[in-house]
Amino acid sequence: QVHLQESGPGLVKPSETLSLTCTVSGDSVSSSDYYWSWVRQSPGKGLEWIGYIYRTGSAFYNPSLDSRVTISMDASRNQFSLRLTSVTPADTAVYFCAKILLYYFAPYYFKSWGQGMLVTVPS
Amino acid sequence: QTVVTQESSLSVSPGGTVTLTCGLSSDSVSSNYYPSWYQQTPGQAPRTLIYNTNSRSFGVPARFSGSILGNKAALIITGAQAEDEADYYCVLYRNTVLFGGGTRLTVL
Repeated sequence: QVHLQESGPGLVKPSETLSLTCTVSGDSVSSSDYYWSWVRQSPGKGLEWIGYIYRTGSAFYNPSLDSRVTISMDASRNQFSLRLTSVTPADTAVYFCAKILLYYFAPYYFKSWGQGMLVTVPS
Repeated sequence: QTVVTQESSLSVSPGGTVTLTCGLSSDSVSSNYYPSWYQQTPGQAPRTLIYNTNSRSFGVPARFSGSILGNKAALIITGAQAEDEADYYCVLYRNTVLFGGGTRLTVL
């Protein structure tokens, strides 16, 4: 059974870079069957897709965040990571990592989720 | 900009049936968008309910079903139970991942 666990600083200062890591167990980030994704949820708000990465290193991002987001992968550690630059209080959210099943290389659905991690950017 | 529309809130009586819908601001939703549905209770991660329009994820009760109704994707809960009170999100894929704004379902 796959398990995804987010880790990283829970507090990031404005204008700095948010960095989170998702450690995967019970599955391999090198699998050809999945994309590995980040999703966030601001307090009291809905879910927002941030982006996903494939085993080749190819990544796709939400256009609204594209200029500030980088998702990378470390297959040797079975991890993938999120970097979000120039953060503001609007980036305060619970950040989830997730596994997306592929169907003909298109995202099919979110199959597994991490428990989520709150990151706060103070005003 | 494409927006995925969901009812902001709905209510259902215990044992009743409720339909949640998922539409698009600029198109009709079809199975080609691979509609999927997720349930989220407070403080928890989302739980996958339905994928590919009408396929139930492992362990999801049969009272949850999915379909296309008219020009929208739909999640139908037949025989709602108290534990179904939650937020429900649809996701569509069309060259990018699109989340709906979520529906808060109250069971009372």
